[in-house]
Amino acid sequence: KAGVTQTPRYLIKTRGQQVTLSCSPISGHRSVSWYQQTPGQGLQFLFEYFSETQRNKGNFPGRFSGRQFSNSRSEMNVSTLELGDSALYLCASSPGAGRAYGYTFGSGTRLTVV
Amino acid sequence: GQNIDQPTEMTATEGAIVQINCTYQTSGFNGLFWYQQHAGEAPTFLSYNVLDGLEEKGRFSSFLSRSKGYSYLLLKELQMKDSASYLCAGEGAAGNKLTFGGGTRVLVKP
Repeated sequence: KAGVTQTPRYLIKTRGQQVTLSCSPISGHRSVSWYQQTPGQGLQFLFEYFSETQRNKGNFPGRFSGRQFSNSRSEMNVSTLELGDSALYLCASSPGAGRAYGYTFGSGTRLTVV
Repeated sequence: GQNIDQPTEMTATEGAIVQINCTYQTSGFNGLFWYQQHAGEAPTFLSYNVLDGLEEKGRFSSFLSRSKGYSYLLLKELQMKDSASYLCAGEGAAGNKLTFGGGTRVLVKP
């Protein structure tokens, strides 16, 4: 079965712009979570959606937001981009409660802010 | 909260064994995951421990002691393709939120 699909794979944006990233989870998975990965901070949790509701949120400013659609696809948006937002953004899909099922990650979107 | 610590880098020889340790603060914690990440690729699931003890999966084993806030990943019969970063991650009690350590880069030499 198809894995987790993230689009686009690469993105270059200018400071002050906004960006929308997309994640399609594994068919049947209802939970999508988002992470930011940078060399300095490692992998950090952004937020998690389940059945169109945000259940968990990490410690990121309000410029970072997300949503989930009825088909479980999720988008995250970053407004007023800063240079420090340059990172690999990963989404992870799980059936519901991750636990022993594990979380399956997509290949990520590499965002560069110039 | 959860602070998760693991060594930054380890080097080992092909065919050998390497043990990657992970320590964490235990509050609000459900279980512990190990992921492998090759450069430029997505993390892939290796193991999950929720009870104390050892879980074995082929060449990879993972151990957890909840009372000590300690886990390790054991890689046996190392192969060159095992050169990667290994990420220790705790799952929060509320579920579906992983807190990652900084990752351990393992370099396997011939």
